[in-house]
Amino acid sequence: DQQVKQNSPSLSVQEGRISILNCDYTNSMFDYFLWYKKYPAEGPTFLISISSIKDKNEDGRFTVFLNKSAKHLSLHIVPSQPGDSAVYFCAASKGAAGNKLTFGGGTRVLVKP
Amino acid sequence: EAGVTQFPSHSVIEKGQTVTLRCDPISGHDNLYWYRRVMGKEIKFLLHFVKESKQDESGMPNNRFLAERTGGTYSTLKVQPAELEDSGVYFCASSQFPRGHEAFFGQGTRLTVV
Repeated sequence: DQQVKQNSPSLSVQEGRISILNCDYTNSMFDYFLWYKKYPAEGPTFLISISSIKDKNEDGRFTVFLNKSAKHLSLHIVPSQPGDSAVYFCAASKGAAGNKLTFGGGTRVLVKP
Repeated sequence: EAGVTQFPSHSVIEKGQTVTLRCDPISGHDNLYWYRRVMGKEIKFLLHFVKESKQDESGMPNNRFLAERTGGTYSTLKVQPAELEDSGVYFCASSQFPRGHEAFFGQGTRLTVV
């Protein structure tokens, strides 16, 4: 059973507009959530994270929102840039820092100039 | 500072052969992980070392997979004998306890079993 799901396999957005990526999870024990970005032939690169004690974390153009009651998180990228075109993975962990990550299936984002 | 390095970047082997993947984590990182992505699906956890000890190997698919971490430095993942369903991209990642939950990934090894 997949505990972290990204139901949109792809997203296309115009440069300068907002990209919204969604992620749902089923395991209520998850208490830390992360977003990774992946370019072809490269490994995932950490983007932004949020602890379950918060509902929002912002870093430049990237903001992650967490809705614990709905077991849902989202990543907002604004404004979107062509270099943001990549696959974005949502991941979750539970317990101590260093524990394994459980990933979603990824969302491919294409930012059109 | 060098990142996580994996070798080889690609490997094509025949069913029944043996392949060994290597990972060099970021220097000083005690945590080392192996993950696998099959057929463009989600990235799945295989196992987690803390220094030279296996902390969690719940994701290892079967006993054809053997991971080692010599002296708490680099790690190897051996598949013997390889099967067609073992094809995928194998990622290694490392992190340093107790700082942060985020792990730093290598570029991956694309394994194709034919």
